[in-house]
Amino acid sequence: EIVMTQSPATLSVSPGERATLSCRASQSVSSNLAWYQQKPGQAPRLLIYGASTRATGVPARFSGSGSGTEFTLTISSLQSEDFAVYYCQQYNNWPPGVTFGQGTKLEIK
Amino acid sequence: EVQLVETGGGLIQPGGSLRLSCAASGFSVSGNYMSWVRQAPGKGLEWVSLIYSGGSTNYADSVKGRFTISRDNSKNTLYLQMNSLRAEDTAVYYCARAAYYFDFWGQGTLVAVSS
Repeated sequence: EIVMTQSPATLSVSPGERATLSCRASQSVSSNLAWYQQKPGQAPRLLIYGASTRATGVPARFSGSGSGTEFTLTISSLQSEDFAVYYCQQYNNWPPGVTFGQGTKLEIK
Repeated sequence: EVQLVETGGGLIQPGGSLRLSCAASGFSVSGNYMSWVRQAPGKGLEWVSLIYSGGSTNYADSVKGRFTISRDNSKNTLYLQMNSLRAEDTAVYYCARAAYYFDFWGQGTLVAVSS
């Protein structure tokens, strides 16, 4: 099983600043990586797929990069609504095997 | 508009059974891969099961032999039959449209396994 490791577990950033979240795969997943945002009491929302393609309706301040084993989600200028938990997910050996990272909580500094 | 609505969760004793439903609108369940993903309280996301558009199925090792995914094409509804439930199955269960990644999710239904 491919293990996804996200860092840091918690990230404290001020509104308007840039946030950089990391995700590492235990083996190469090529560009088969997605990012999700989850707010309390809500379902996850797809942000990025293919490592760098924004899903429909996702603001341009969200960007994804990386390939192989190292990936980054960058939020260029944090808005109040961006404070949430973010998960990465690999789908390189899908179907059926998909695995999620443990999440990064982005909190207001 | 794509919408997924899960129902059927609740409190159940260990060893019991429960069937979750996920009613879809705005697209065809039978024409897509569909999955169940769960989230234990305060924890991360765990993929549970997948049904292919052709009807084949796959399961996570943690639920294999106990859970069954199915669909009713006439009702455009996805199901998850959960048997021999354990405390560690306690979670919010989400249905999701699965296009390699999960592009649409329901709001989730809580399953609590406790005596």
